[in-house]
Amino acid sequence: DTGVSQDPRHKITKRGQNVTFRCDPISEHNRLYWYRQTLGQGPEFLTYFQNEAQLEKSRLLSDRFSAERPKGSFSTLEIQRTEQGDSAMYLCASSLGTSGRMGWIQYFGAGTRLSVL
Amino acid sequence: LAKTTQPISMDSYEGQEVNITCSHNNIATNDYITWYQQFPSQGPRFIIQGYKTKVTNEVASLFIPADRKSSTLSLPRVSLSDTAVYYCLVETAGTASKLTFGTGTRLQVTL
Repeated sequence: DTGVSQDPRHKITKRGQNVTFRCDPISEHNRLYWYRQTLGQGPEFLTYFQNEAQLEKSRLLSDRFSAERPKGSFSTLEIQRTEQGDSAMYLCASSLGTSGRMGWIQYFGAGTRLSVL
Repeated sequence: LAKTTQPISMDSYEGQEVNITCSHNNIATNDYITWYQQFPSQGPRFIIQGYKTKVTNEVASLFIPADRKSSTLSLPRVSLSDTAVYYCLVETAGTASKLTFGTGTRLQVTL
């Protein structure tokens, strides 16, 4: 158990509907990341937060996607007007930034699998 | 960021040692190597991380030659539960930014 919790685990929606996913990171982790993974591919970066500030967004994150991390704790990822191409696993990860460390290990949740019909 | 190349798939029998090699010819001085493991329907899980020579933990060893243009993840005495996808990543120290995954190596362990 990595400690990162994602909800829901599965989501089936019809094209054009809005969906929202939630991620609860490991407590005290200051960085939170969202990735998307399709079948047979590695995860692709979408965006990340340091505390409540969204520091980077991928070009994959179209204007239909929005992510928030109010108060620097949990985060939500919303997809508006879903399309069939949005069908994927959406993964959340968190890390604790410690200066001087070689690498800031990311701890992933189990993901939310989205199916757009 | 240095691009990584690793085999698409590998097969092994239970009890054998498995070595997965990753090529990263353009690795920079401030880059380090990290390996993650992913089981179906789960998120990736950190395995091991290193900069040079050899690193060992309770689950794996990581061998990095002096030129650091490649690295080898060694899994001793694999079991069926080691069947997974293994990702080699190169990251720049201290940036704590996004991870760039490739397609990974799919390891299949059989009896």
